[in-house]
Order: sequence, then C-alpha cells, then structure tokens
Amino acid sequence: GESVGLHLPTLSVQEGDNSIINCAYSNSASDYFIWYKQESGKGPQFIIDIRSNMDKRQGQRVTVLLNKTVKHLSLQIAATQPGDSAVYFCAENIRPGQNFVFGPGTRLSVLP
Amino acid sequence: DTGVSQDPRHKITKRGQNVTFRCDPISEHNRLYWYRQTLGQGPEFLTYFQNEAQLEKSRLLSDRFSAERPKGSFSTLEIQRTEQGDSAMYLCASSAQQTGHEKLFFGSGTQLSVL
Repeated sequence: GESVGLHLPTLSVQEGDNSIINCAYSNSASDYFIWYKQESGKGPQFIIDIRSNMDKRQGQRVTVLLNKTVKHLSLQIAATQPGDSAVYFCAENIRPGQNFVFGPGTRLSVLP
Repeated sequence: DTGVSQDPRHKITKRGQNVTFRCDPISEHNRLYWYRQTLGQGPEFLTYFQNEAQLEKSRLLSDRFSAERPKGSFSTLEIQRTEQGDSAMYLCASSAQQTGHEKLFFGSGTQLSVL
C-alpha cells in the first residue's frame, strides 16, 4: 500500500551547519503533513506542520518545504545544535479525523 | 504538567500474561490515538477515539488487543495473552477536534517487554 518513506536513514552534520532531512510520500491524496522529533526513550515531539495548499512554512530555526509535484517533503534545520540530535519522522494525513501514517525515520547526529 | 501522560513507562511481563496501559490525554482534547512503535521504525496506528467512541481500528489490532475510553477522558489499552511479538513502545496521542486537520501530541510511551 501507499506509505511515507525517507531517502536517508542517517544524517551526520557538523554543529552550526544546516541540516536537510527528506521524506518521500506516495499518497497523492495526503493534504496535511507533520514533522516530529523523537529523542531516545521519549515520544515524538511536534516540530512543524504544513498543509497541502502551502509549499513552505517557517518556524524557529526550522523550515518545511512541500513539493506536491514530486511528492516530496523536507525539513531544514538552521545552525544545527547538539540538542537537535534525534530521529526525525514525517507523518502524512489524508483528511481530518483519519490517522497519521509515519515514515521509518531519519537519525540526525550532530558532530562537535 | 498538561501534556499527554502514560502509565507505566516500562512493563516487563511473561508470555501469556495480560497487561493494561493507561493514557491521560491533554484535558481539552477529545481525540485520542494509540500507536505502536518498534525499534528503528515509525509509529504504526492501532486505534483512535473521538470522545468515548472508538471510530477506527487498524488491522494490526488483533482480537487480543482491546482499547476503551469509557468517559471520554483517559483511555486504557489491554493486551491479553501477550506474545513476544507484542514487545514494543505503545504510544498515546491526543488532539483537539477542530475545523481542518489537527496536531497530534504524544506521550512518552509505555515500553513493553514480553519475555
């Protein structure tokens, strides 16, 4: 069936650099997306969301880009910090009230 | 703390035993979700409630699994006759119904180990 996936399972970046985490989704009907951060032993933490009628949304140090043409979602983290080290998941939602489908995740490691 | 609360944080049980987990959602949230997560994987949907009504169940939810939300507030997830394959992190999430999509907020999960 259709599912959310990620291009890179692991990503290592130098502290202070920008990070880009990618996600490919296959369900063209999905119209809402969330990025979550999950630290070891904790539940997923909401980072930022975007609706399908947008192609970019910015938060504090994070930006989400949505390219519906190629069904691609990315999370950009500016000036990556050690505290950003975690697993990042994208999740898609087809319509309100339906469950979210999560991808397998990307582990981000921030090098000193 | 006004976030989603789950209890216990860890549970170790022997195969064949029954276990029950509890979730207390954010107080004003009327939707409550259960997900399961195994190591290195994203969360997989199990079931969700809107108030006390269980509106959707995944095929992953075998008949050994049952979830309740009797008063539309806290929820319990029970697994009967546990199997080693049930070992996973069980996550609860809640959201507030509103026009359009809602944000899911997760608890810290219950880590189940079946020996």
